[in-house]
Amino acid sequence: SQTIHQWPATLVQPVGSPLSLECTVEGTSNPNLYWYRQAAGRGLQLLFYSVGIGQISSEVPQNLSASRPQDRQFILSSKKLLLSDSGFYLCAWSPSGTGTGELFFGEGSRLTVL
Amino acid sequence: TQLLEQSPQFLSIQEGENLTVYCNSSSVFSSLQWYRQEPGEGPVLLVTVVTGGEVKKLKRLTFQFGDARKDSSLHITAAQPGDTGLYLCAGRSEYNFNKFYFGSGTKLNVKP
Repeated sequence: SQTIHQWPATLVQPVGSPLSLECTVEGTSNPNLYWYRQAAGRGLQLLFYSVGIGQISSEVPQNLSASRPQDRQFILSSKKLLLSDSGFYLCAWSPSGTGTGELFFGEGSRLTVL
Repeated sequence: TQLLEQSPQFLSIQEGENLTVYCNSSSVFSSLQWYRQEPGEGPVLLVTVVTGGEVKKLKRLTFQFGDARKDSSLHITAAQPGDTGLYLCAGRSEYNFNKFYFGSGTKLNVKP
């Protein structure tokens, strides 16, 4: 069966410091991968998605970047964090191809920028 | 701009009551999903609806996709405290199957 993991689960960082959140998927190949951000108790904002190694689509201009160095690895980064980068970050995967369309989420990473 | 609008945003009801959550958009979606999320965890998929007018039942939960594939509803019969959580709808773009857009969420609290 497929599994998705992201880490770290919790992160407290000072303004101006770098960020790296990692996400890996097991049990499937060539998945579509996603990074979402969620404000407290609200909906999810699509940040980045990737349909293959090295292929990144950005949805919102911001202080963040994403990379996909391997088929089942997705990384969210920042060179200098802002206070506004605080939030709950969710990685997700979806089977590639047309299909019916479902997203499967990791456990989430809570980032607090002080 | 939120592509999908959910209502109500908050709902607090007594155990045993019925409720309906709505998810509306002016855009057409190739499919629509409903998720339930617990605090501090990732959303978990409940159902996917694909065909306009489609109705799916999952025990006490009934999901409907609008005829024009622009809106959806989630109806819960005889709500239980275990139904408490954040309910999210998400639409898969008709023009780019790789994109999923989420509603603003409905926070449900079922009191015993």
